Amino acid sequence: AQKITQTQPGMFVQEKEAVTLDCTYDTSDQSYGLFWYKQPSSGEMIFLIYQGSYDEQNATEGRYSLNFQKARKSANLVISASQLGDSAMYFCAMRGAGSARQLTFGSGTQLTVLP
Amino acid sequence: EAGVTQSPTHLIKTRGQQATLRCSPISGHTSVYWYQQALGLGLQFLLWYDEGEERNRGNFPPRFSGRQFPNYSSELNVNALELEDSALYLCASSLMGQPNEKLFFGSGTQLSVL
Repeated sequence: AQKITQTQPGMFVQEKEAVTLDCTYDTSDQSYGLFWYKQPSSGEMIFLIYQGSYDEQNATEGRYSLNFQKARKSANLVISASQLGDSAMYFCAMRGAGSARQLTFGSGTQLTVLP
Repeated sequence: EAGVTQSPTHLIKTRGQQATLRCSPISGHTSVYWYQQALGLGLQFLLWYDEGEERNRGNFPPRFSGRQFPNYSSELNVNALELEDSALYLCASSLMGQPNEKLFFGSGTQLSVL
């Protein structure tokens, strides 16, 4: 079984500063994928970034980067230069193998960017 | 290109009734996933369909069921509605096969059970 843990229910960051959202995972699969999604108050889920378990380099997508530490089973999201529009719920998710290809989501972190 | 569409946007039912939620995936996507998101909580996996077959289901009672049609659209049925079924139901689609396949989500159906 796969498990995703997000230990920060809420985070605050000042506009233009960087913020790290924590995510740890547990799986017995050798091959897996890690994802981050953003959910604004409108409710839609927006894909941010992906990291494969065999990728040697940390993934980056614009202002988003994923700090992947395989031995520690962590996949933290780093948002640089926060903007007011970054205020949203952020979910870490994992995909396993075979019949467990559906994404398993963590409980989420509510990020608030302060002006 | 149209995204994942879900209907209806809102649905109000009473206890014991049945609800039917619909989802149209992105053109070319064969996999459809259903998730339940209760207020303030994370997404709980309900069902996964691919090529018309149910591939996996989450830890939900049998009164949650669904199907996928030949055009890959999907339907989620919830029978004998209970108050705790009130939630946002999200549908997502993907093109299965790539390791980095990401799910594209619809805007959801807000189900309220009175």
